[in-house]
Amino acid sequence: DVKVTQSSRYLVKRTGEKVFLECVQDMDHENMFWYRQDPGLGLRLIYFSYDVKMKEKGDIPEGYSVSREKKERFSLILESASTNQTSMYLCASSLATGAEAFFGQGTRLTVV
Amino acid sequence: AQKVTQAQTEISVVEKEDVTLDCVYETRDTTYYLFWYKQPPSGELVFLIRRNSFDEQNEISGRYSWNFQKSTSSFNFTITASQVVDSAVYFCALLSYNTDKLIFGTGTRLQVFP
Repeated sequence: DVKVTQSSRYLVKRTGEKVFLECVQDMDHENMFWYRQDPGLGLRLIYFSYDVKMKEKGDIPEGYSVSREKKERFSLILESASTNQTSMYLCASSLATGAEAFFGQGTRLTVV
Repeated sequence: AQKVTQAQTEISVVEKEDVTLDCVYETRDTTYYLFWYKQPPSGELVFLIRRNSFDEQNEISGRYSWNFQKSTSSFNFTITASQVVDSAVYFCALLSYNTDKLIFGTGTRLQVFP
């Protein structure tokens, strides 16, 4: 089974902190994605990556950056956390273009 | 631009009723993929189905069926004889072959009452 693992299930951070959310997949997938999920807004794409060291902006990249130094790991970085970044963050990976995406269990981040 | 619209925010039905979840998409690409995912109360998204833009055949899997119509840019999902375990949030998603960008609709919360 494909496994997408997010490093934390729950996180509480202070405003202004630098926050790292880690995601690891174990199936050699090419594509990886970061989303945030908010009530009434569904899943919104923050960034995605189709190869190592490659990244593309999604629909809401402001305030975020990403890193993909190894194929299996895709990190989401909040350079200076703000309260409006309190959300559920979901990581996903897919084998290739057009393949189904597999999701991690999510990280609920609270910024206080 | 790509867009997925799920106009139904919440649907409530009684067990054994049939229910259809609507999904309308927008894309300029000729090659694209459509997906449905289920998010049960536990939170983890579960893949249900994938369709590519060249395959308009409807699909049935047990109590689930999907109707893909390019003419109306719709990819609707029907659950026949709904059960309480079907209660979840269902998301429709679109991926463009040219951009690798996978985007989701806002989801439809389905509540099935006994």
